Amino acid sequence: DQQVKQNSPSLSVQEGRISILNCDYTNSMFDYFLWYKKYPAEGPTFLISISSIKDKNEDGRFTVFLNKSAKHLSLHIVPSQPGDSAVYFCAASGTSGSRLTFGEGTQLTVNP
Amino acid sequence: NAGVTQTPKFRILKIGQSMTLQCTQDMNHNYMYWYRQDPGMGLKLIYYSVGAGITDKGEVPNGYNVSRSTTEDFPLRLELAAPSQTSVYFCASSYPQDGTAGNSPLHFGNGTRLTVT
Repeated sequence: DQQVKQNSPSLSVQEGRISILNCDYTNSMFDYFLWYKKYPAEGPTFLISISSIKDKNEDGRFTVFLNKSAKHLSLHIVPSQPGDSAVYFCAASGTSGSRLTFGEGTQLTVNP
Repeated sequence: NAGVTQTPKFRILKIGQSMTLQCTQDMNHNYMYWYRQDPGMGLKLIYYSVGAGITDKGEVPNGYNVSRSTTEDFPLRLELAAPSQTSVYFCASSYPQDGTAGNSPLHFGNGTRLTVT
């Protein structure tokens, strides 16, 4: 039972354009949502998060949107840069949970 | 600050062999985790620990064991290696202020790539 799902294994965009990565979840008890970025041969690194009391959180070029009724979140990167090319994982946790559940990841390629 | 350190970086095991993947962190984090990542798959939680002396099973614990005798170290033991355990293993740590994993980002090590043949 995949509780966090990223339906697009890959995404390719041009430098300077917007990248939109999507994530769906099924567990209505999830209250915190995070995005991680992973380069080859490295561990994932934290990018941005959002709690369920918000519908948007922004950090520089990165914005995460949360639609609780649709159980959907998305990560927007504007403008996209070649250095953003990586695998992006979405993850979720419940309020009283001590563990994160990860999606399968989306490989983003930003072409110069 | 070293963060989360995993050793070894690579290992090849024969079926039935055993080994311990080492993980240590120097951030005084109370929570530690072991994940595995298979190609095209997300990170699956194997075991986690919320403090020294306390461990709990994740989604895919079969074939693994852990211990947490100190805050810093969280080794993962494979007793009888099987080809299905071929994967990349990541250790992570965090310091949730109120016990909620989601509001304290995980810090990951760089992984151990394990092949069982």
